[in-house]
Amino acid sequence: AQSVTQLDSQVPVFEEAPVELRCNYSSSVSVYLFWYVQYPNQGLQLLLKYLSGSTLVKGINGFEAEFNKSQTSFHLRKPSVHISDTAEYFCAVRTSGGYQKVTFGIGTKLQVIP
Amino acid sequence: GAVVSQHPSRVICKSGTSVKIECRSLDFQATTMFWYRQFPKQSLMLMATSNEGSKATYEQGVEKDKFLINHASLTLSTLTVTSAHPEDSSFYICSARDPQRRADTEAFFGQGTRLTVV
Repeated sequence: AQSVTQLDSQVPVFEEAPVELRCNYSSSVSVYLFWYVQYPNQGLQLLLKYLSGSTLVKGINGFEAEFNKSQTSFHLRKPSVHISDTAEYFCAVRTSGGYQKVTFGIGTKLQVIP
Repeated sequence: GAVVSQHPSRVICKSGTSVKIECRSLDFQATTMFWYRQFPKQSLMLMATSNEGSKATYEQGVEKDKFLINHASLTLSTLTVTSAHPEDSSFYICSARDPQRRADTEAFFGQGTRLTVV
């Protein structure tokens, strides 16, 4: 079984300030890791993913995340946020094996304050 | 790129009626689609895995007779909420992966359906 923990349900941050959204996971097998963004009443959009290789992954909209195997973490960062980044962010894991079930964290609401 | 389309985006229905939600893969054939449910301020919870040409696989605690899933073609899966009640009001999202792509590619998500039962 796999699980995802997003430690912060809400993160308020001032515009142009840096932000880090935390994500920890647990799994008995190797996994792929994802960050998705959800704007109000919309589906999910992929921000970035870690499959293998370099532990620092860059995604869209200036976001990046770092995979830390020893700490089983995959924290999302952005050096300078914009008002348009206000949304819900979900960390997710999927086993790298055949079955494609995706497990999501509870989500972190990022609120950018002007 | 691959796109998954979900319809309708919003629906309001009376308690006791049934509602059908469609999920289409627009430019690939999806042998497997996934249905998620999201309650307010909560994460997405997998409800069931829809398999083309066979019965859906439901997650523990999900009533198969209430949430009917039909995956009759390689590009369409439907979720029917039968005898809907106010507690079924939620945001429903489908997803699918393109089986022709590498195994490490992500699934694509539909736009979601906001169901309100009054």
